[in-house]
Amino acid sequence: SQTIHQWPATLVQPVGSPLSLECTVEGTSNPNLYWYRQAAGRGLQLLFYSVGIGQISSEVPQNLSASRPQDRQFILSSKKLLLSDSGFYLCAWSVTGDQPQHFGDGTRLSIL
Amino acid sequence: GESVGLHLPTLSVQEGDNSIINCAYSNSASDYFIWYKQESGKGPQFIIDIRSNMDKRQGQRVTVLLNKTVKHLSLQIAATQPGDSAVYFCAENRDSGYALNFGKGTSLLVTP
Repeated sequence: SQTIHQWPATLVQPVGSPLSLECTVEGTSNPNLYWYRQAAGRGLQLLFYSVGIGQISSEVPQNLSASRPQDRQFILSSKKLLLSDSGFYLCAWSVTGDQPQHFGDGTRLSIL
Repeated sequence: GESVGLHLPTLSVQEGDNSIINCAYSNSASDYFIWYKQESGKGPQFIIDIRSNMDKRQGQRVTVLLNKTVKHLSLQIAATQPGDSAVYFCAENRDSGYALNFGKGTSLLVTP
């Protein structure tokens, strides 16, 4: 069966520090991968998605970036975090764009 | 712009009653819809999906209805239980086919 792992579960970072969140998927090949951000009490905002190794589509301009160095690995990064980057970050995978997306347990990021 | 939205931000039901959560969509080209359940501090969990060639689909205690004429989607939960308390999101596939648009969510509270 397929599983998705995100880490860390919680993270507290100072303003201006770098960020690296990692997501890996097991049990499937060539998945679509997604990064979302969810503000408290709000819906999910798509940040990035990838349909293959090295391919990244960005949905909103921001100081975040994503990379897919391996087929089942998706990384969310920032060189300098802003206060507005606080939120709940979720990684997801799907077989194709019109199949269910399956989410990890998320990372709660707090910027101080 | 085209979007997915929910009629009610909160819904309170008594244990044992049936729950109905509604969702309106505006993109008539959408052909795939999903319902997710999100518990506090966790990632969204897939509940049920439906394609535009269907009007109704049933799962375990859940039914999704799709009315393409009025662009309306609903999730029915039979015999609602305390464990059903969560935020429910509807989502539709996007024109690109690679990602989903999520609604803002409805909070379901089940009271004893």
